[in-house]
Amino acid sequence: DTGVSQDPRHKITKRGQNVTFRCDPISEHNRLYWYRQTLGQGPEFLTYFQNEAQLEKSRLLSDRFSAERPKGSFSTLEIQRTEQGDSAMYLCASSLIDQETQYFGPGTRLLVL
Amino acid sequence: SQQGEEDPQALSIQEGENATMNCSYKTSINNLQWYRQNSGRGLVHLILIRSNEREKHSGRLRVTLDTSKKSSSLLITASRAADTASYFCASHNTDKLIFGTGTRLQVFP
Repeated sequence: DTGVSQDPRHKITKRGQNVTFRCDPISEHNRLYWYRQTLGQGPEFLTYFQNEAQLEKSRLLSDRFSAERPKGSFSTLEIQRTEQGDSAMYLCASSLIDQETQYFGPGTRLLVL
Repeated sequence: SQQGEEDPQALSIQEGENATMNCSYKTSINNLQWYRQNSGRGLVHLILIRSNEREKHSGRLRVTLDTSKKSSSLLITASRAADTASYFCASHNTDKLIFGTGTRLQVFP
C-alpha cells in the first residue's frame, strides 16, 4: 500500500453514462497524476496537477474527460458520455514537487458495456 | 505514440534463474525508472537511474542505461516466485512518466 487511494476500484457502466473517479494522494504530495492503462499496455499519461493547478493535459484527454483538484488535495476524473473505448484501468499517482518517483494508487478499472 | 517498447513481451523462468528485460525509449530523459505491477494492481517503483549514470544496483536488481542507444535493461538475479509480475520502464521527461509496453515475467517454483 503506497498511501494513494482510489475509489471506486471497479466500475461497470453503460455506454453514454457519465462516471466519476476519485483519487486521494499521499497527504503532503503537491503533484497528482492521472494515467490510463489498457489491457496488455503500459500506462499512458493523461494529465497532472501541481496543487490545484492543472499543468498539462495529454491529447488523449478528449473533451469528454475533465479532471479537477479543487483544494489541492483529492482529485476527480470525470468521463462524460462514456464509450466502449474508454474501458481501461485509470491510475492515479502522486509525488512531491522535487521528487522524480511517483507513488501509484491501486487503480479504478472501468468497463463500458 | 511516445510510448517505449520492451523486450521480451513475456518471459518464463524457473526460480533461481536470472531474468533480463530490455527497454527502448524515444525521448530525451532526466532519468529512467523501472516499476513493477502485480496483476490488476497499481505500480510500485523499483529503481531509478539518472541520465548521467550507466549502471545501478539495488538488492537483486541491476539496471543499465545507454543514452546513446536510448535503451535500458533490468536484471533480476536469483528470481523468486514472488517476482512474478509485469515490469515497466518509464522515461522521466518534463515531470511526467512515459511508460514502455511492459514485460510479463512468470517465475515457476
